[in-house]
Amino acid sequence: DTGVSQDPRHKITKRGQNVTFRCDPISEHNRLYWYRQTLGQGPEFLTYFQNEAQLEKSRLLSDRFSAERPKGSFSTLEIQRTEQGDSAMYLCASSPVPGQMNTEAFFGQGTRLTVV
Amino acid sequence: AQKVTQAQTEISVVEKEDVTLDCVYETRDTTYYLFWYKQPPSGELVFLIRRNSFDEQNEISGRYSWNFQKSTSSFNFTITASQVVDSAVYFCALSEAKYGQNFVFGPGTRLSVLP
Repeated sequence: DTGVSQDPRHKITKRGQNVTFRCDPISEHNRLYWYRQTLGQGPEFLTYFQNEAQLEKSRLLSDRFSAERPKGSFSTLEIQRTEQGDSAMYLCASSPVPGQMNTEAFFGQGTRLTVV
Repeated sequence: AQKVTQAQTEISVVEKEDVTLDCVYETRDTTYYLFWYKQPPSGELVFLIRRNSFDEQNEISGRYSWNFQKSTSSFNFTITASQVVDSAVYFCALSEAKYGQNFVFGPGTRLSVLP
């Protein structure tokens, strides 16, 4: 297994367009997280899945954002009607060991979104 | 509420110097976990260490060591004999047992190791 994979690595879009990012977690990891990181800041939590269930969403996740993990494997994060403030690195992470709380999360390389 | 503070925004050292990165956290939970991650220029966050709130033993891994002190709510990270490859942004993170799925990250410390 090569780790958490995110696609695309870079995305440039015009304001108002919709974008979708994909994350493939490490196989058999039942937890999947989405984070957003802006320049010079630490990652900020967006949402979290355990298997296919979305268990928590941050207040940062406005109604223009939606995330899915339909079969408990890969996940998608869609941003509708993008705004310049959405420009950031979107990070996906997964964590192992069902039932064990607070294990470390393994991160992908991120998708850098630029809204022009 | 959870909060992680890394007061040092940027640190520059010369190769072979020792350097300590500070991390102070806030939590109301009695059971929590602390982490350090490294983010090199490539952008991927690399896991370094996890500590739970019941284990205050310091840990050493090669040139890396961590000092966890509950009395001061600190979890500091020391790199001994720094190398140029250590140049990166380092993040301290906290997750509470009650809300274990949510990692709260500090703002990071950018370390530059000069040759």
